[in-house]
Amino acid sequence: GQNIDQPTEMTATEGAIVQINCTYQTSGFNGLFWYQQHAGEAPTFLSYNVLDGLEEKGRFSSFLSRSKGYSYLLLKELQMKDSASYLCAVRDSNYQLIWGAGTKLIIKP
Amino acid sequence: IAGITQAPTSQILAAGRRMTLRCTQDMRHNAMYWYRQDLGLGLRLIHYSNTAGTTGKGEVPDGYSVSRANTDDFPLTLASAVPSQTSVYFCASSDRGGAADTQYFGPGTRLTVL
Repeated sequence: GQNIDQPTEMTATEGAIVQINCTYQTSGFNGLFWYQQHAGEAPTFLSYNVLDGLEEKGRFSSFLSRSKGYSYLLLKELQMKDSASYLCAVRDSNYQLIWGAGTKLIIKP
Repeated sequence: IAGITQAPTSQILAAGRRMTLRCTQDMRHNAMYWYRQDLGLGLRLIHYSNTAGTTGKGEVPDGYSVSRANTDDFPLTLASAVPSQTSVYFCASSDRGGAADTQYFGPGTRLTVL
């Protein structure tokens, strides 16, 4: 079966750095996505990785290792507004997205 | 309209009733999707459409139907609602011609079936 694993919940301090991990086992791989979802709102796109390595976009970076079936999202200089759920999704061989259950990130002052 | 809109925002429905959730996008994206999101689970694909006039089944299609008469609209119909269909429903769209084919989501419909 296909599986995306992420921690259920993480807590971090305002101004700090946090790394959210995602491991996957899917039938085929055609890219990995990270989305942010605030409570009661729609998911919004953060990043896309299809090749191994690090993609940096402002305070957010995303890393991919296809051989390890592993990705992480790195959030720097945490702000209170970063409190949200972070969803990892992999596009499989059928070109459909398989979603993890999401990691709820709690930021404390 | 900018992006994707969904209607209604929320709905309480009696079991056995028929319900259509509406989704409209103005980005001229060729692909559209319907997902449901339940607590503790990832988004699950119900149905999708790669282009106007075609539809396909996702992971959890039973009890749902869709149509794609034109590029902009992708309604989801529950023919006879059951309590297990209580969920938050998200519509999404993407440009299948783009390199990343990123999906963009509507605001969601919160549906309660009693």
